[in-house]
Amino acid sequence: QQPVQSPQAVILREGEDAVINCSSSKALYSVHWYRQKHGEAPVFLMILLKGGEQKGHEKISASFNEKKQQSSLYLTASQLSYSGTYFCGTGGSSGNTPLVFGKGTRLSVIA
Amino acid sequence: KAGVTQTPRYLIKTRGQQVTLSCSPISGHRSVSWYQQTPGQGLQFLFEYFSETQRNKGNFPGRFSGRQFSNSRSEMNVSTLELGDSALYLCASSLEGLAEAFFGQGTRLTVV
Repeated sequence: QQPVQSPQAVILREGEDAVINCSSSKALYSVHWYRQKHGEAPVFLMILLKGGEQKGHEKISASFNEKKQQSSLYLTASQLSYSGTYFCGTGGSSGNTPLVFGKGTRLSVIA
Repeated sequence: KAGVTQTPRYLIKTRGQQVTLSCSPISGHRSVSWYQQTPGQGLQFLFEYFSETQRNKGNFPGRFSGRQFSNSRSEMNVSTLELGDSALYLCASSLEGLAEAFFGQGTRLTVV
């Protein structure tokens, strides 16, 4: 079942912060975050595994709340290079379950 | 190391025809997944192959099929094309399901 992402789109000025949420109606075991720039392939940002771990990548971090079946991606002090569509993908408890992605959140950072 | 290679990059087909898309994964990766991307729908999972076996399948009609060869290269076939099949088809390879997936540039299919 496809996870639900919110918001669908957001516009930020450079230096502002944003949060992108990813919710699932099924139990979450792993959440993957990817960013796709226009005309390019999606690029891996990070994986969060069951356990509530928070990870970081430059000024982008994410959290994983098992009880709420939700993950959030935090972008702080946004840069123009952060623009793109962010996808969360939810996986199962083993490597046998494929990644199912949400519809994406379009992030636009303007000067 | 070489990334995921998809061929061709662009295709224009007529309704009713069939098409085959190819994906060469990163060397050593045994898992290959296919996704259909259309505006507003995100990445829709088609199927996943692991060591030449289809391990998972998404909710697509039987016109969509695939296979994986012993060298892990994968092909996707769509028969009796419909206008709604126009999309960007992406393949992703990984060592296994919970690992980072690497995407190819995709094949842009246009059905007229």
